Amino acid sequence: DAKTTQPTSMDCAEGRAANLPCNHSTISGNEYVYWYRQIHSQGPQYIIHGLKNNETNEMASLIITEDRKSSTLILPHATLRDTAVYYCIVRVDGDDKIIFGKGTRLHILP
Amino acid sequence: GAVVSQHPSRVICKSGTSVKIECRSLDFQATTMFWYRQFPKQSLMLMATSNEGSKATYEQGVEKDKFLINHASLTLSTLTVTSAHPEDSSFYICSAGRNRGGKEAFFGQGTRLTVV
Repeated sequence: DAKTTQPTSMDCAEGRAANLPCNHSTISGNEYVYWYRQIHSQGPQYIIHGLKNNETNEMASLIITEDRKSSTLILPHATLRDTAVYYCIVRVDGDDKIIFGKGTRLHILP
Repeated sequence: GAVVSQHPSRVICKSGTSVKIECRSLDFQATTMFWYRQFPKQSLMLMATSNEGSKATYEQGVEKDKFLINHASLTLSTLTVTSAHPEDSSFYICSAGRNRGGKEAFFGQGTRLTVV
């Protein structure tokens, strides 16, 4: 079973920051938080991951709470192409088996 | 970045026939690959783990005789849907990770199977 809970859907205006929350209250000390997204009819795409420090790359920022029980994915300037289902996943480093939850369907509004 | 390629991207077949889907890791070797199935507006469901040189490991409720998996090399896994039925129509996706310490799992583009 997936170890994360996410809102079913969210809307965000184009050009604004999209903040996607994720709860993972049972996360273990050796589990990372990963984010993937799936654009319609495509395979999932890796976005970012982190253990306990906040992370940033060219796509997004990941904010992990100090107790690691929740995190937020931030898309700083959302575009229409960011419309997708976003999956928050916890997994042990090096374990390529991924169990997907239901994800958050993000709609970017023009 | 590492790329995983699936072929075909779309296939239509008649009921009762078999369909083979290929998953290739293009620039890295993968001893393990994974096969997922996704129905419309649902999440990805893990079907099986494909192990190079050994038998696949199937998730509970997935028929191993219906979904045949072969992982004959470090860069290729195949999923064969045997005696396809319309209810097998779905989006099939594979993934692979780098061996030994890789942090990312890479996904194929998916294969849309329609059984008529």
